[in-house]
Amino acid sequence: GENVEQHPSTLSVQEGDSAVIKCTYSDSASNYFPWYKQELGKGPQLIIDIRSNVGEKKDQRIAVTLNKTAKHFSLHITETQPEDSAVYFCAANRAGSYQLTFGKGTKLSVIP
Amino acid sequence: KAGVTQTPRYLIKTRGQQVTLSCSPISGHRSVSWYQQTPGQGLQFLFEYFSETQRNKGNFPGRFSGRQFSNSRSEMNVSTLELGDSALYLCASSFAGDNSPLHFGNGTRLTVT
Repeated sequence: GENVEQHPSTLSVQEGDSAVIKCTYSDSASNYFPWYKQELGKGPQLIIDIRSNVGEKKDQRIAVTLNKTAKHFSLHITETQPEDSAVYFCAANRAGSYQLTFGKGTKLSVIP
Repeated sequence: KAGVTQTPRYLIKTRGQQVTLSCSPISGHRSVSWYQQTPGQGLQFLFEYFSETQRNKGNFPGRFSGRQFSNSRSEMNVSTLELGDSALYLCASSFAGDNSPLHFGNGTRLTVT
């Protein structure tokens, strides 16, 4: 089945700096890659997603890139703010299975 | 638009008991999925329902079951609870599943003692 690996597991950045989180996936048939942000006591919140027919997608300070050949995708957060502190999860679909496989998460801390 | 609603938020049960968790999806969403979240295993897929039919099931024992009603609301049941079932159970809904954006509720925190 699908395997998704996520790095790093923890990341600390100064406010205003950029943060990058990387994921690799195993199933070459995967075609949908969402990213979620989870704050304490809440469920994961979808922040951005990308499909396999697109190489990059941006939404204000957040961007995601996808390299299908290498089977990896990355989340980029620019001009980080303290409210960006949370656990971030990447995920990939298992084509035709109606399920997402998640990475183990990255705890991002933005230091004021 | 109201988000995904899960009830109850917290549950404490004793080993051997059974429990039922409830989920109301976003209005118009017909696909409901359930995930278990633990510190050790992360987010793991339990099952997915669409129009009252289970389309896929994750790698969990038969003690874990679910169902979906005609109004798309869903319930999951865990029988003969074990200590290892302690987890955050998350419900998520999407318009049609498979590549549709998945929106999560805030979960039900189950503690088994």
